[in-house]
Amino acid sequence: QKEVEQNSGPLSVPEGAIASLNCTYSDRGSQSFFWYRQYSGKSPELIMSIYSNGDKEDGRFTAQLNKASQYVSLLIRDSQPSDSATYLCAVSESGSARQLTFGSGTQLTVLP
Amino acid sequence: NAGVTQTPKFQVLKTGQSMTLQCAQDMNHNSMYWYRQDPGMGLRLIYYSASEGTTDKGEVPNGYNVSRLNKREFSLRLESAAPSQTSVYFCASRDEKGDGYTFGSGTRLTVV
Repeated sequence: QKEVEQNSGPLSVPEGAIASLNCTYSDRGSQSFFWYRQYSGKSPELIMSIYSNGDKEDGRFTAQLNKASQYVSLLIRDSQPSDSATYLCAVSESGSARQLTFGSGTQLTVLP
Repeated sequence: NAGVTQTPKFQVLKTGQSMTLQCAQDMNHNSMYWYRQDPGMGLRLIYYSASEGTTDKGEVPNGYNVSRLNKREFSLRLESAAPSQTSVYFCASRDEKGDGYTFGSGTRLTVV
């Protein structure tokens, strides 16, 4: 069974610090990798996608992918209290439906 | 507003009752998905539909059935609800141009 593992947390960082979220996956055939943010009581929203090895930056967010190590991470720079949420790592299978397998999430709290 | 619409938002059922969760998207997406989310377990795939007229089982299909009524609508049915089906249910659809999902707002189901 395909698995996606995340550091379980919870993770607390002070405002302005860098938050680092990590994820490993079991299926070497995985094609695409995503980070979703989920506020309490809300639905997940996509914040980053990454498809090839290396770094991808979008504003304060940087996703990092290492397919050889089956590892994907998300860095949040200059963390803000509004970043406090659960972050879900998701991995896409190949095939027409490309269904996502999600990790259990890491709860991040940014302390003012 | 364009997106994924789920109904109802909340539901309480008695053990053994049946109900259908409705989902509709107006983005002309081919692929649609049903997930359940339980505390500490992330999102788990129940069923998915790669295109109109096709459905496939996901990770946790037991106790559920689905219908892809047309390209817009994908419903999830609980024939005989059990307390183990108490969860938050999310419907999602996927843009063919990318891999990111758009999620509905969720249905909070309690089975007593």
